Amino acid sequence: EPEVTQTPSHQVTQMGQEVILRCVPISNHLYFYWYRQILGQKVEFLVSFYNNEISEKSEIFDDQFSVERPDGSNFTLKIRSTKLEDSAMYFCASRKTGDEQYFGPGTRLTVT
Amino acid sequence: GQSLEQPSEVTAVEGAIVQINCTYQTSGFYGLSWYQQHDGGAPTFLSYNALDGLEETGRFSSFLSRSDSYGYLLLQELQMKDSASYFCATSNTGANNLFFGTGTRLTVIP
Repeated sequence: EPEVTQTPSHQVTQMGQEVILRCVPISNHLYFYWYRQILGQKVEFLVSFYNNEISEKSEIFDDQFSVERPDGSNFTLKIRSTKLEDSAMYFCASRKTGDEQYFGPGTRLTVT
Repeated sequence: GQSLEQPSEVTAVEGAIVQINCTYQTSGFYGLSWYQQHDGGAPTFLSYNALDGLEETGRFSSFLSRSDSYGYLLLQELQMKDSASYFCATSNTGANNLFFGTGTRLTVIP
């Protein structure tokens, strides 16, 4: 069964460093999303992406964040200058046209 | 803005039925989804309601009342593996960006 994959599973970085989180959505899906979940809290929407551009973004998704689909398969989230409060689990999700979003296993980002 | 309220914890006995409620306030509304998340895992889709009424998928059912801004997830014939967190989530545009509730931790006991 096709699934969303994410790499790395765990990323440790120092405050102020740039990180790139990578996702490979399901191949025939059209809509792509990034969410984050701070430990013990709810899942929060960051950004949605369709037709090679951002559809919507939340207040969390400020100028420090960017997304890119550099080729036909990868979907990346970049954080330019990480802060301690960026520590969270980051989930990528994709959707074809229906209601169900398929989530990847997540990347745990730890900023020290 | 978006606001979704759920009970924080529910405990139920194996084989029983449990209902998890969700009330929401949104600036727009397309539908209400339910996702299950096991500890350390990713959210997995359970159901989606765009219209009022009950949707049934196996042991799980979901209900929506748009006029009351309310929905619930009903889990029947509970199994130990159903112990997880359950999130309701609204979408307010066709892009289906999900805004998640606070989550309900369900513990199934023997």
